[in-house]
Amino acid sequence: ETGVTQTPRHLVMGMTNKKSLKCEQHLGHNAMYWYKQSAKKPLELMFVYNFKEQTENNSVPSRFSPECPNSSHLFLHLHTLQPEDSALYLCASRRTGGEGETQYFGPGTRLLVL
Amino acid sequence: DAKTTQPPSMDCAEGRAANLPCNHSTISGNEYVYWYRQIHSQGPQYIIHGLKNNETNEMASLIITEDRKSSTLILPHATLRDTAVYYCIVRAGTASKLTFGTGTRLQVTL
Repeated sequence: ETGVTQTPRHLVMGMTNKKSLKCEQHLGHNAMYWYKQSAKKPLELMFVYNFKEQTENNSVPSRFSPECPNSSHLFLHLHTLQPEDSALYLCASRRTGGEGETQYFGPGTRLLVL
Repeated sequence: DAKTTQPPSMDCAEGRAANLPCNHSTISGNEYVYWYRQIHSQGPQYIIHGLKNNETNEMASLIITEDRKSSTLILPHATLRDTAVYYCIVRAGTASKLTFGTGTRLQVTL
């Protein structure tokens, strides 16, 4: 248990569906991240939020829409996804402002797009 | 961030020490060495990190060479539950993101 929770843990959706992934951190951190891990590939950073403000978008398609209402919660809204978007989506959080602060990851949401 | 090089796979007998190497010859003075592991289909788990000095915690030890161009993660008594992909990442202390490579797949066997 890392203090970062993600729901749902598994999700199956059609290409015309709209769904949302939720991440919550109980660590008092102020930065939150979305990563994508496709099969047999390294983790890819998608978005970074610092104090609720998006500070990085790693050229992610607009069918992925993040939302960070406060420093403890992060959402990833999904619409009109493609089968190649099937992957493990991971959330992480971190305390900024100090040297060497590390990221802690949630368990991930396994997404299958049909 | 500096690039790291790790062997793609390693085996270790249960109960023995697992020594996982990482080369980071282009590391800068303000960059830390981080180790994470990922057990199949789970989120990466933080293990340990260091800047210059060797570090030890309840999970592992991190040995960094004096020139900082390489490091070794040591799991002192490997168990079957340590079977995972281990990632060595170099990152500046105040940098926001981690860049994951392909890591080392450690297989612990009976």
